[in-house]
Amino acid sequence: SQTIHQWPATLVQPVGSPLSLECTVEGTSNPNLYWYRQAAGRGLQLLFYSVGIGQISSEVPQNLSASRPQDRQFILSSKKLLLSDSGFYLCAWSQTGGVQPQHFGDGTRLSIL
Amino acid sequence: DQQVKQNSPSLSVQEGRISILNCDYTNSMFDYFLWYKKYPAEGPTFLISISSIKDKNEDGRFTVFLNKSAKHLSLHIVPSQPGDSAVYFCAARMKTSYDKVIFGPGTSLSVIP
Repeated sequence: SQTIHQWPATLVQPVGSPLSLECTVEGTSNPNLYWYRQAAGRGLQLLFYSVGIGQISSEVPQNLSASRPQDRQFILSSKKLLLSDSGFYLCAWSQTGGVQPQHFGDGTRLSIL
Repeated sequence: DQQVKQNSPSLSVQEGRISILNCDYTNSMFDYFLWYKKYPAEGPTFLISISSIKDKNEDGRFTVFLNKSAKHLSLHIVPSQPGDSAVYFCAARMKTSYDKVIFGPGTSLSVIP
């Protein structure tokens, strides 16, 4: 069966520090991968998606970037965190082809001080 | 501009009764609708979906109804159980170069024993 791992679960970082959140998927190949952010009282906002290695598309301009160095690895990064980057970050994957629901990791609660 | 709306931030229901969660959308290009359930500190989990060519889909205690002319869908849970207490996200898919899924802000359901 397929599983998705996302870490760390919580992270406290000072303003201006770098960020690296990692997500890996097991049990499937060539998945679509996604990074979302959930703000309080709002739905999930899609930040990045990837349909293959090295293929990254951004939905919203921001202080963050994403990379997919391997088929089942998705990384969310920032060179310098802002206070506004605080939030709950979720990684998700879906099968390609047809209509496939997305499957989410347990998220990372990021607090910027 | 919110394309997927869940106008009730919260809902309380007695155990054993029916829970009805509502969702409205604005974009007629959506071709698939999904409901996700989310517990605190966890990622959302896929619950049930419906194609835009159908008006009802049932899975156990969960039924989703779609009224395309009104751009409205609802999730019915019968009978409601305390373990159903969670945040429910309505989501809608638009087929682009990838599966673009737009999430509503969520409704927090509390099932009272």
